[in-house]
Amino acid sequence: AQRVTQPEKLLSVFKGAPVELKCNYSYSGSPELFWYVQYSRQRLQLLLRHISRESIKGFTADLNKGETSFHLKKPFAQEEDSAMYYCALSDRTGNQFYFGTGTSLTVIP
Amino acid sequence: EPEVTQTPSHQVTQMGQEVILRCVPISNHLYFYWYRQILGQKVEFLVSFYNNEISEKSEIFDDQFSVERPDGSNFTLKIRSTKLEDSAMYFCASSEQGANEKLFFGSGTQLSVL
Repeated sequence: AQRVTQPEKLLSVFKGAPVELKCNYSYSGSPELFWYVQYSRQRLQLLLRHISRESIKGFTADLNKGETSFHLKKPFAQEEDSAMYYCALSDRTGNQFYFGTGTSLTVIP
Repeated sequence: EPEVTQTPSHQVTQMGQEVILRCVPISNHLYFYWYRQILGQKVEFLVSFYNNEISEKSEIFDDQFSVERPDGSNFTLKIRSTKLEDSAMYFCASSEQGANEKLFFGSGTQLSVL
């Protein structure tokens, strides 16, 4: 079953424009939600976790349980934000981790 | 910041050959994972490992795959008889307290099966 859906494979925005990367999930129970980022030629790294409710590099994500969404947002995109972004879900046991298909974000100068 | 290390960065092998992909997790981490990403596709979970045994495995992780922690520092993924469709980037990850904590990923091993 598809647990994490990222509907956009590619997303391009102009520098300074707002950006929103969509993520929807399906999971019974209370999952943990994450956003991971992979910059060009670098390893996957954690961007943020919903339970931390923190803002990293200007990005935020709000867990909407009613819509089962965890969209990633930034009010003003920067060129260095160009990367591959993966939404991910973990089960409560901590043994499994499900990635979405990823969204490639390009910020146009 | 401590890192997960994977070797080799690129492995080329003939179909039917055995390959071993190596990972050195962060030293105080207890949970270990293997993922793979076929070119142009999503990152897929293969297996999780805790307390010297497999915790969970996906349907991808069939009898051709095995994992081992041979010496307390390395965490290996073995593919017994590689197939063309095993060509992918394989990522190792580790976590201190499980997948609902921060996973640290290695830089990956690109496996090419010819």
